[in-house]
Parts: sequence; structure tokens; C-alpha cells
Amino acid sequence: DGGITQSPKYLFRKEGQNVTLSCEQNLNHDAMYWYRQDPGQGLRLIYYSQIVNDFQKGDIAEGYSVSREKKESFPLTVTSAQKNPTAFYLCASKVTISYNEQFFGPGTRLTVL
Amino acid sequence: AQTVTQSQPEMSVQEAETVTLSCTYDTSESDYYLFWYKQPPSRQMILVIRQEAYKQQNATENRFSVNFQKAAKSFSLKISDSQLGDAAMYFCAYRARGSGTYKYIFGTGTRLKVLA
Repeated sequence: DGGITQSPKYLFRKEGQNVTLSCEQNLNHDAMYWYRQDPGQGLRLIYYSQIVNDFQKGDIAEGYSVSREKKESFPLTVTSAQKNPTAFYLCASKVTISYNEQFFGPGTRLTVL
Repeated sequence: AQTVTQSQPEMSVQEAETVTLSCTYDTSESDYYLFWYKQPPSRQMILVIRQEAYKQQNATENRFSVNFQKAAKSFSLKISDSQLGDAAMYFCAYRARGSGTYKYIFGTGTRLKVLA
């Protein structure tokens, strides 16, 4: 079955440590996205990538980094520079056809201890 | 900058009744797309309905329909014959049309409760 997988579902990190969240898709989509979801704030864009080896900062990129070495994969690293990393993180992908919607993964809940 | 506003943090509806969720947006673009997404307790985001701004006809998907008022920049979602499974967070989203425009703008969401 085609879809987007995110792992792990729950992640715990000690303060000051970097952590990488995985996002893989087998939908052959070109564009991929990372969002952060906090209560009462909806979805905020962290980074997005339109093609392999290219990505752009979203609205809240500080303290995060990404790579796009393969079409299927778009991992997000939450660095120690991110001041409030505890949140729910959603990965999404999209085909290049304009009117198409994004497809979302199941999300990762990151908790900083 | 484009913005999306959902002014109802929470709504309730009786099972089998109809409810309307509000969404307004601000943009200087003339061509764009609007979406409603549903996020149930599992937190998996699911597309409910999509509207292309150049189409005057309101989109409909089974029990879900929209009231798209382009001049007023309003995009409300109507759920008819509400079911218990409709209980979820609903997010309104906007995306400008055009090559290279991949960024989506989301509202803050409306939590819908369905009462048995």
C-alpha cells in the first residue's frame, strides 16, 4: 500500500540532545513538508522540499534542519538550539499537479524531558 | 502575507443534525485552492473537501459541502446528518496557485463534538 510513514510514533529526548525524526513516502511525490502542531496554533510549516537536494525554510525553521538526498525520504533533525521542541510533528507529501492536496503521515510526538 | 482564520475553537452538534464550520482567509491572489482537513483522535490528517477558487460552483463530497464566497474571502464547511465519527479537529487550509507555489497556510482549527 502506498503511503507516508513516520517513525517513531513517540520520542523522548533529554534536553540538549539532537534527535532525528524519520519520514518516508512511497507515493512517488516530489514535494515533502514538515509541520509542527501545538495546541491552539494549528499547523506551522518548518521546512519543505520540492525536489531532491533542494529545500526551503518555512515559518519556524530555527532550531531545525533537514536533508533530501532521496525522493522518498525527508528526515527532520531537531537540534539543541530549538528552545521548545516538545510538540507533535507531521510530515506530508504532494504531487506536482497544482490542485492536488497534501497527504499526511501519522505523526511523531516528541517530548523533551 | 496570506492568513487563514478559524474563529470557532470548538463547536457541538447533535447526531443527525447539520453544523457549519467557519473559515475566512486573506490574500491578494486571484487564483488559489482551499481545503478542509479532518484530524480525528488518531491525529491522522485526512482531506475532507477541496475547492478551486476559479470554480464558482461549491464543492460537495457526500455529507460535506462548502459555501465558498470569494468576494467575502469566506470558505465554510457544512456537515449534514452528523455522525459520531465526524468528531474531530477540522482545519481550513489555503494554497496559492501557480508554478513554484507549494506552501500551504493552515488555520488554527475547530474542534467538533458530536452529541449522541
